[in-house]
Amino acid sequence: DIQMTQSPSSLSASVGDRVTITCRASQSIGNYLNWYQQKPRRAPKVLIYGASSLQGGVPSRFSGRRSGTDFTLTISSLQPEDSATYYCQQSYSNPYTFGQGTNLEIK
Amino acid sequence: EVQLVESGGSLVQPGGSLRLSCAVSGFTFSDFWMAWVRQAPGKGLEWVATIKHDESEKYYVDSVKGRFTISRDNAKNSLYLQLNSLRAEDTAVYYCASLEYGTSPWGPWFDPWGQGTLVTVSS
Repeated sequence: DIQMTQSPSSLSASVGDRVTITCRASQSIGNYLNWYQQKPRRAPKVLIYGASSLQGGVPSRFSGRRSGTDFTLTISSLQPEDSATYYCQQSYSNPYTFGQGTNLEIK
Repeated sequence: EVQLVESGGSLVQPGGSLRLSCAVSGFTFSDFWMAWVRQAPGKGLEWVATIKHDESEKYYVDSVKGRFTISRDNAKNSLYLQLNSLRAEDTAVYYCASLEYGTSPWGPWFDPWGQGTLVTVSS
């Protein structure tokens, strides 16, 4: 199975900060990497698919990049409504594994 | 409006069974792969099972193989998950989700999701 190692597990930042979350795959997965945002007691929603494509309706302050087996989700200017848990997920092969999640708190 | 509505979650004793349902509307259900994803209380997301449009392919996470069965009824726009031999570690919110490919060569991704149904396994 492909392991997805996400870091950090938690993060606290201020409004306006640039925030980066990293996800490393245990093997090559091409661009088969998706990012989700989950707010408390809500279902996850996709932010980024295919490593760098922004889902429709998602603010442009969110972006994704790939470097080899390392993937990053960046929020260019943190907003209060970005407080949530973020997950990466690979869709290269079954089982479609998720990272452990990053809990992002607004200071 | 696209909607996925799960139902069937409840409190069940270890070793018991349950059938979850997901009613879909707002898109052509029979065109899409579908999946179940679960989340244990205070924990992360775990993919559980996936099913192809015509049920010809099904995939499961190792921890549920032989105990859970995913199925669908395209005529009823419904997805199901039969849970047997339930264990305490199966306690979770179970989400149904569609697998979207869009026009990207790098799909799929899970979108949209239902609101989830809670399964609690406890004596």
